[in-house]
Amino acid sequence: RKEVEQDPGPFNVPEGATVAFNCTYSNSASQSFFWYRQDCRKEPKLLMSVYSSGNEDGRFTAQLNRASQYISLLIRDSKLSDSATYLCVVSHTGRRALTFGSGTRLQVQP
Amino acid sequence: NAGVTQTPKFQVLKTGQSMTLQCAQDMNHNSMYWYRQDPGMGLRLIYYSASEGTTDKGEVPNGYNVSRLNKREFSLRLESAAPSQTSVYFCASSETTGTNYGYTFGSGTRLTVV
Repeated sequence: RKEVEQDPGPFNVPEGATVAFNCTYSNSASQSFFWYRQDCRKEPKLLMSVYSSGNEDGRFTAQLNRASQYISLLIRDSKLSDSATYLCVVSHTGRRALTFGSGTRLQVQP
Repeated sequence: NAGVTQTPKFQVLKTGQSMTLQCAQDMNHNSMYWYRQDPGMGLRLIYYSASEGTTDKGEVPNGYNVSRLNKREFSLRLESAAPSQTSVYFCASSETTGTNYGYTFGSGTRLTVV
């Protein structure tokens, strides 16, 4: 079983739609959580950290459920420019580097 | 702001050839990492360096060696390239290996081994 699992998609949504991605992690000792965005043939870039109380950054909302060991990302009012792969990322003190999920691909259509 | 710079951007090698991928960061970060990304596999950690003078193996270290030349530079060497090493390689850096720090990535090296 992968340590971080994501639905690969693609999620095809129209502009203006609301879309949500989930990610599950297997290590209960995981401490920090992030969402990264990766455009086609580009490097991953930090989108947002995920805090226990949930957090929002503009149209993006991240939630953490430690009991069920999953993280979610909600995108409201989708834009064409949101088309990318979204990587769920986890860290824990037992490993001194981040663990990346395989990503969920989003395609926003006009 | 250059951030993390990787060279080369593209490379084609023949099986058995060697090469070194270069990475440099100008953010005064202590920790640096090498990942490879393959379709459907996500990013997998090859080696990392928590601080200048230290290196440690990651998830997939076989066939690779690294050198933390100084605080800025962290190179990855393939001694005898194999087709299974065809991949996109990303270097990254962070302030420390602490769990709260995200990474800054370089733009990647696309390597094909034929």
